[in-house]
Order: sequence, then structure tokens, then C-alpha cells
Amino acid sequence: GAVVSQHPSWVICKSGTSVKIECRSLDFQATTMFWYRQFPKQSLMLMATSNEGSKATYEQGVEKDKFLINHASLTLSTLTVTSAHPEDSSFYICSVIRNSQETQYFGPGTRLLVL
Amino acid sequence: DAKTTQPTSMDCAEGRAANLPCNHSTISGNEYVYWYRQIHSQGPQYIIHGLKNNETNEMASLIITEDRKSSTLILPHATLRDTAVYYCIVRDRGTSGSRLTFGEGTQLTVNP
Repeated sequence: GAVVSQHPSWVICKSGTSVKIECRSLDFQATTMFWYRQFPKQSLMLMATSNEGSKATYEQGVEKDKFLINHASLTLSTLTVTSAHPEDSSFYICSVIRNSQETQYFGPGTRLLVL
Repeated sequence: DAKTTQPTSMDCAEGRAANLPCNHSTISGNEYVYWYRQIHSQGPQYIIHGLKNNETNEMASLIITEDRKSSTLILPHATLRDTAVYYCIVRDRGTSGSRLTFGEGTQLTVNP
């Protein structure tokens, strides 16, 4: 499978600060990148779909002003959690896809803890 | 995308085959069956996918019934490292359907 990296792998921050998470597609240029969130003992929930050079599409209930997504290149997408609060503590996972016909590959995830 | 139903949990003895079932009775003709697994605190790992025919790779085999309403993922010789949550996902690979919708999956525990 394809290699996807995320940085950082874990982060602890104070309430009110912003945190940026990077997702890189290392094996191919990804036309689309996805961001998921996973709370303890729950399944993955899609937050947004990001296409290079265009605005991200957010799922219902996900605040686009709070979760800023930048997909500046075909190999890099970033998710910024702005003014983080303890309820934003979660496991954030990105995935990449070369095109819609192909398989989606996931990153290792970033664990965020907001104090 | 069609909804899938999987057992909440299963146990398997190390070295034995693990057979994980999935029901997708509302699957449509354009939809593929994908299997991913998630080991604790890691991102999901792609295992295998198929449309109509049975598929096999180095990780597993996928058996899809003739009517495509159900499938079985087979891990031929389960090891302790195969303990994970296994997700069966039905996905339309058309231009508008590249997203994946995760259900609750099956927690497979491989016992020594």
C-alpha cells in the first residue's frame, strides 16, 4: 500500500491555542485527501474532503472556521484546529487517494490532547 | 453508499483461519466491497477489495457471494498481530463516490 505520513504523531496543547497537523502522501500525488476524527471506542468519522487547489468540503456539523484545511500541493494537506478546547481532543487521521477509482490509504494518525 | 452489517466481535485461535462475515444486502452494481483493519491507536490499513469475483492477496482472501449481498474476509493463518477492528465498507468508485463511510466493524481477537 501507499505510504502516508502525519506530523506530529501526538500533541498536547493548552485550551485556546491552535494546532496544525500535516498529512503527506509519500508514494503518489493525491488528487484528494480526507480528514477523519475518531473519539475513544468509536469509529472514524469523516470531517472533510480536500482537493488540491480548491476549498475543502466539510461534513455536516463540522465547523469550517474551526477546522481549517489547506491543500496546497498534491502531496501535502494540513488541518489546523483553531482555538482548541478539551472537547477537540481526539485522534485525527488523514487519508489520500490518487483518483476516485483507486484505493484510499490512511496515515498513522495524530493524537491531540487539549488541556 | 450501501450500509454494511458486521458482528461486533469475534475470537480466533492463533494459527487458525479467521473468517469475518459482512452483510451488504443493499449493495448496488457499481459498488465495491472494501476491507480495512485498524490496530489499536493506528490509522486504518487497507486489506483487500473486490467487486464480484473472489480476490486473494498476501494478506487475505475475499469471498463475495454470487448475489453480492454478503462477503467473508478470510485470514488463512491468524497471528496475534492480526488482533484489530476489521471494517467492511461498500464504496462506489465513481467520480462522486470516493469517500469511505466507516461502521462499527468487528473486533477480532486472536488468542494464543
